[in-house]
Amino acid sequence: NAGVTQTPKFQVLKTGQSMTLQCAQDMNHNSMYWYRQDPGMGLRLIYYSASEGTTDKGEVPNGYNVSRLNKREFSLRLESAAPSQTSVYFCASRQGTTEAFFGQGTRLTVV
Amino acid sequence: EDQVTQSPEALRLQEGESSSLNCSYTVSGLRGLFWYRQDPGKGPEFLFTLYSAGEEKEKERLKATLTKKESFLHITAPKPEDSATYLCAVEDSSYKLIFGSGTRLLVRP
Repeated sequence: NAGVTQTPKFQVLKTGQSMTLQCAQDMNHNSMYWYRQDPGMGLRLIYYSASEGTTDKGEVPNGYNVSRLNKREFSLRLESAAPSQTSVYFCASRQGTTEAFFGQGTRLTVV
Repeated sequence: EDQVTQSPEALRLQEGESSSLNCSYTVSGLRGLFWYRQDPGKGPEFLFTLYSAGEEKEKERLKATLTKKESFLHITAPKPEDSATYLCAVEDSSYKLIFGSGTRLLVRP
């Protein structure tokens, strides 16, 4: 099993460009999450989806939108990228109150 | 508002020198507290889940404990390969999973 797969792994954007980060899980998990991690810091929750068809804001939602396309896929969109959005983005999924499984991360640089 | 605070931010130990990492939390309706390990350039790797005060879990040189306000990750006789960032997370009643800023552990031979 692949677990949680994120694409792309690396991306460089110019200020003002838009892009979508993709996340897919093959574990039939109900809940999915998007986090960002800045150097030397922990994970900050951007958005999460407790179940298919629902999404909720996390700690730092401004400048982002999400779509829970189906049970497997949860995408994160940057409509107009800013240098402050330079970060490593992690997607995670979990079932119920069990542990979350993480993808390998997307390293995004906005210049 | 849910909040997770980890201390210390960084910890340097000699191989074999035992110590503890702290995770204090404020959360509405704690569903669970999680400990993760993260190596540079990788995603977090699950270590433990604790669900209620008084619960303890052990794995090799690591032991996690939970009270109503905080959790400790005890590291006994650490080895250099235990060097990593250790992250604590709490889940609230709405399935929101909030992480602390982590403790960077360096174990020197």
